[in-house]
Amino acid sequence: EAGVAQSPRYKIIEKRQSVAFWCNPISGHATLYWYQQILGQGPKLLIQFQNNGVVDDSQLPKDRFSAERLKGVDSTLKIQPAKLEDSAVYLCASSIQTSGGRDTQYFGPGTRLTVL
Amino acid sequence: DQQVKQNSPSLSVQEGRISILNCDYTNSMFDYFLWYKKYPAEGPTFLISISSIKDKNEDGRFTVFLNKSAKHLSLHIVPSQPGDSAVYFCAASKGTSYGKLTFGQGTILTVHP
Repeated sequence: EAGVAQSPRYKIIEKRQSVAFWCNPISGHATLYWYQQILGQGPKLLIQFQNNGVVDDSQLPKDRFSAERLKGVDSTLKIQPAKLEDSAVYLCASSIQTSGGRDTQYFGPGTRLTVL
Repeated sequence: DQQVKQNSPSLSVQEGRISILNCDYTNSMFDYFLWYKKYPAEGPTFLISISSIKDKNEDGRFTVFLNKSAKHLSLHIVPSQPGDSAVYFCAASKGTSYGKLTFGQGTILTVHP
């Protein structure tokens, strides 16, 4: 079974530029998550989708970050404009989402973003 | 507001000995706890979990203990192997959050041959 795919793996941009990340979850997984992991910290949830609807985006900086999940499969996360503090690894995860919300989340390898 | 804390940034043990990784939480609404393992340049992978109705869960060399009154959980690895060297994250969720995980900062475990 193929895992969660993410691209690009690495990205270097200058502040105030825009950047987009792509995620393809495990086939059949209804729930998709985007996490931000700053160096030395644990992953922090940015946004959670159930199919193509948003379940939780309470920690997404909506003035500069946006995300979409068209047709309930692939997802893109965009930052516009980027700031120095956005330098982090952006992780995508997916889960089946049975009732009870105890499904294992499977993570992709992440995209390492460096903002100069 | 760090609701899940791993106060030891790193831990070093000898191969064959026990590794004990600790995690504390502050939110009494958390009722499900997980441990994830992360190798460099890879995403975290699920290791073991425990529900708040239990105080212990075992899976092979890995055992998680939960002390609800102390809001503390620990992961025991016995015996430790060099391949266990990785970053370990504890995470917590609450029944109402439908899958949302709150992670600790991680502990780097190094197992020496």
